[in-house]
Amino acid sequence: SAVISQKPSRDICQRGTSLTIQCQVDSQVTMMFWYRQQPGQSLTLIATANQGSEATYESGFVIDKFPISRPNLTFSTLTVSNMSPEDSSIYLCSGGLGERNEQFFGPGTRLTVL
Amino acid sequence: AQTVTQSQPEMSVQEAETVTLSCTYDTSENNYYLFWYKQPPSRQMILVIRQEAYKQQNATENRFSVNFQKAAKSFSLKISDSQLGDTAMYFCAFMKHRGNTPLVFGKGTRLSVIA
Repeated sequence: SAVISQKPSRDICQRGTSLTIQCQVDSQVTMMFWYRQQPGQSLTLIATANQGSEATYESGFVIDKFPISRPNLTFSTLTVSNMSPEDSSIYLCSGGLGERNEQFFGPGTRLTVL
Repeated sequence: AQTVTQSQPEMSVQEAETVTLSCTYDTSENNYYLFWYKQPPSRQMILVIRQEAYKQQNATENRFSVNFQKAAKSFSLKISDSQLGDTAMYFCAFMKHRGNTPLVFGKGTRLSVIA
């Protein structure tokens, strides 16, 4: 298995500001994924981050709002830009690992926008 | 596109009893993976069990087992000898076989284990 950490674990932010969430994996992974989980809902994929190339965004998510960096095979960041209360969610990163194609998740970042 | 359906928003079970959570999915893929994840109040997503579609044998992990019916596109999770620590949201998820592809999740089932 892989151990994935995220920082911060939670934050309360003001409308119009930005927050960068960091995701660190203890193993090298080719792909990392960012998901959003709105209150009481399931997980929705925001984007796929491949090292050395631009992230691929799902319908409804754009790079200007959710810029992603992937500087190496163990680290990624997601920025939530120009935040509004509708961005209040849990943001989770995951990494796919090994031949068993299992994905492991970070503990999530709980974001509240006032 | 793949879809995953969990038709039971909430379920409850007495401690030590057995409960089955349902999941159906839709895909045109022939090879893929299916997963059950558990999300307790801590919000950490924990992988419970994994099934490869090309394997007919149902996966088991201790008290957790699945009933995988490929033709029916059904993938249910059975929890035996339920424990209070099993109380959580359970998500069924699909992944294409090509590897390093994202998961598609169902809406989840909230399971409460009652003492």
